[in-house]
Formats: sequence, C-alpha cells, structure tokens
Amino acid sequence: AQKITQTQPGMFVQEKEAVTLDCTYDTSDQSYGLFWYKQPSSGEMIFLIYQGSYDEQNATEGRYSLNFQKARKSANLVISASQLGDSAMYFCAMREGNFGNEKLTFGTGTRLTIIP
Amino acid sequence: DADVTQTPRNRITKTGKRIMLECSQTKGHDRMYWYRQDPGLGLRLIYYSFDVKDINKGEISDGYSVSRQAQAKFSLSLESAIPNQTALYFCATSDASGRLVDNEQFFGPGTRLTVL
Repeated sequence: AQKITQTQPGMFVQEKEAVTLDCTYDTSDQSYGLFWYKQPSSGEMIFLIYQGSYDEQNATEGRYSLNFQKARKSANLVISASQLGDSAMYFCAMREGNFGNEKLTFGTGTRLTIIP
Repeated sequence: DADVTQTPRNRITKTGKRIMLECSQTKGHDRMYWYRQDPGLGLRLIYYSFDVKDINKGEISDGYSVSRQAQAKFSLSLESAIPNQTALYFCATSDASGRLVDNEQFFGPGTRLTVL
C-alpha cells in the first residue's frame, strides 16, 4: 500500500482563489510528522509547512495551512489567495519510525498551475 | 551561501562510466540523505547516514554506493552508470535533536544526471 497518496496529478486554479491539495497517508505509528514541500520549475525543494501527529491544532505558515484530519489520515495543504508564483509541484511527505530508523516518504506530487 | 550544496549541478555521461555526485553542508547536521526524483514517482530514498560511521540502504540502493567522508560531506557513486539512472538527484540533511519526527529535511539544489 502507498504510504502517501496524492490523488491530483495536476490542478488549475484562478489567481487569488484558495486551493486545496489533497494528501492521505498510511501508518501504524503513533508518532509521525507530515510535511509539505514546494518544487518550482527551477527544481529546488522548498519546505512549506509541518504537522505533528500529536498536534491538536492545524499548522499555519502565512498563506499556507494544513487541514489535518487524523481519523481520516488526511493532511491537505490549503493555499489562500493564490499567486502566480505558487505555480509549482507540491509534495506531501511523512516521517515515521523510531529513533535511528525514521524515514521520510514522499507522495508523487501535484502540479499546481495558477491562471492569471 | 547555500547551506546544502551539490556538485555537479548537471552531468551527462555514457553507459558504463563511473560517476560521483558530491554533497556538502554547513548546517552542522548529523543526518544526510540521497534521493532520486523521477517524473511521476516523487522522491525515493537511495541511501542515508545518521553519522560518519553509519550508512544505511534506502528504498532503491541497487547500483549505487555512498561515502560519508566527514560530518559535512556525503557522496553518491554510480559504479557503472546505466540509462535508467537518468534522474534528478537530491542530497538532504536533517538535525538529530529533539523529537525526530519534527525535523524537516533541508534539500540541496539537485543534480540533473543524464546517462546516454
């Protein structure tokens, strides 16, 4: 089974609208972390936001927020007031495991295109 | 200056050649990782190292080897390159302090490798 599933290969969104990128995960660990990274066309991986499994409140970082629904094992990224510069690939990732054995597993990504 | 650097940034080589990709970091992190990215597959872990004396295989280690020369340096070698190793390769680092699942990974700019 896939550890991280991103079901939207591509999305087109009008500038200034909000956008939600879906991510579901699969783990039996009690302690795990969920990350979102942005990869613009230049190729670098940019960390956006993090949510710990034990965090009761949804994480927020500027225009980014993470809609964490633990029972559903989902960790969707919400971008408010989208901008042209938000056009990029977005990857959801999960860190799980015990000390000395933790791994970071990535989803296959969603390509977001913001339309002027 | 960038915290995580990779050399070379681009490389074209021929089948059967030995190739080394180098990664250096100034973040003082103990943990270093090598990933490859293929279209539609996200990032997959090749090897990781939790300190200078520790090397571990990742999801797709066949055909690759690594060397952790110092805390700050982690190199990836393709002993005999083949065309299906054409990919974008990323080095990453993370801190080992605190709650490990919290620790984001910091990525280098990537090396685009083409094997003809």
